[in-house]
Amino acid sequence: QVQLQESGPGLVKPSQTLSLTCTVSGGSISSGGYYWSWIRQHPGKGLEWIGYIYYSGNTYYNSSLKSRVTISVDTSKNQFSLKLSSVTAADTAVYYCARDVVSYGSVDYWGQGTLVTVSS
Amino acid sequence: SSELTQDPAVSVALGQTVRITCQGDSLRSYYASWFQQKPGQAPVLVIYHRDNRPSGIPDRFSGSSSGNTASLTITGAQAEDEADYYCNSRDSSGNHRVFGGGTRLTVL
Repeated sequence: QVQLQESGPGLVKPSQTLSLTCTVSGGSISSGGYYWSWIRQHPGKGLEWIGYIYYSGNTYYNSSLKSRVTISVDTSKNQFSLKLSSVTAADTAVYYCARDVVSYGSVDYWGQGTLVTVSS
Repeated sequence: SSELTQDPAVSVALGQTVRITCQGDSLRSYYASWFQQKPGQAPVLVIYHRDNRPSGIPDRFSGSSSGNTASLTITGAQAEDEADYYCNSRDSSGNHRVFGGGTRLTVL
């Protein structure tokens, strides 16, 4: 069974860059057929899709975040990463990594999520 | 439009049937999936590709779609079904994902 685990700082200062990594186990990022996704959830709010990457490196981003987001993949480590630049308090959220099945048009597996707080 | 609209809250009596809906223009072209989220937990996929259930999801959960509306139906709601439910689909470009705002289900 595929498992995903987010890692990274839980506290980021305003104007800095938020960086998270997702480590995938139980399956290969390079196997194809999946998008590797980042999704966030502001405290007490709904889910917001940030973007995803295919193992080949093709990326798709939420248009509202596109200017600040970079998602990359490291197939040798079976990891993918999120960078969100110029963060503000509005970026405080639980960040989830997830596997999105191309043929389903849907996420099937989620990481447990990690809370990132933006504060000085 | 890239928006999916859900009712913020719905309630159902224990053992009764409830339908949770999701509306959006992109649903005319793309299937919806549905997630259940309980407090402090990651979402769980309960329906994908309109009406398919992943392994381990009870058969009281079903999905359907008509026009610009997707629906999640719980037939014989149980206390453990009390949760937030989110619909998810592609946007009109087909390349991006979009979530509905979520529906909080209360089982009375």
